[in-house]
Amino acid sequence: DAGVTQSPTHLIKTRGQQVTLRCSPKSGHDTVSWYQQALGQGPQFIFQYYEEEERQRGNFPDRFSGHQFPNYSSELNVNALLLGDSALYLCASSSQIVWTDYNEQFFGPGTRLTVL
Amino acid sequence: AQTVTQSQPEMSVQEAETVTLSCTYDTSENNYYLFWYKQPPSRQMILVIRQEAYKQQNATENRFSVNFQKAAKSFSLKISDSQLGDTAMYFCAFMKHNTDKLIFGTGTRLQVFP
Repeated sequence: DAGVTQSPTHLIKTRGQQVTLRCSPKSGHDTVSWYQQALGQGPQFIFQYYEEEERQRGNFPDRFSGHQFPNYSSELNVNALLLGDSALYLCASSSQIVWTDYNEQFFGPGTRLTVL
Repeated sequence: AQTVTQSQPEMSVQEAETVTLSCTYDTSENNYYLFWYKQPPSRQMILVIRQEAYKQQNATENRFSVNFQKAAKSFSLKISDSQLGDTAMYFCAFMKHNTDKLIFGTGTRLQVFP
């Protein structure tokens, strides 16, 4: 079982550019959540995708958008990059298929984005 | 809105000793979950322990245990017999029932020294 994978590992962009980050969920998982972790902070929820639709969204501007594909993998897109977008972007996957009282989230290693 | 507060930015403990990390939270919800996650230098967030709010019994996972005080909205993590591999950032997190959305605190950096 490969677990949650993310690509790329590191990325450097300049202000105003656009970036796409990718996430493959753990085998058997159908839900993907994205988090932004600024340096020295805890992760903050960006949004969540299930059945190829955005199901929940945190307090992030529309510059942050996403997509989920039929194979459950997901992309996070950020337009018009700002210096403040520099952070570690974490992807977490879970499963809605197996009913439990809660759905454990498994995290990937993250993508470190630096905006210059 | 829910908030999670970790008031200890850094903690240190000697190997084999016991350390307690503090966490408080604020919510008006009655049905929720609380978590402690570990983030080592490899950056991958790893679940350490989970507590369901409706359970009065404190959760335990091997050397890790929690002290859950629902009325006080307090959720501390005790690490017994600390090991060098416990060195990491520890995050307390809250999840409202049926949301799959985690709300994290700012973290506590734990250093275990020989």
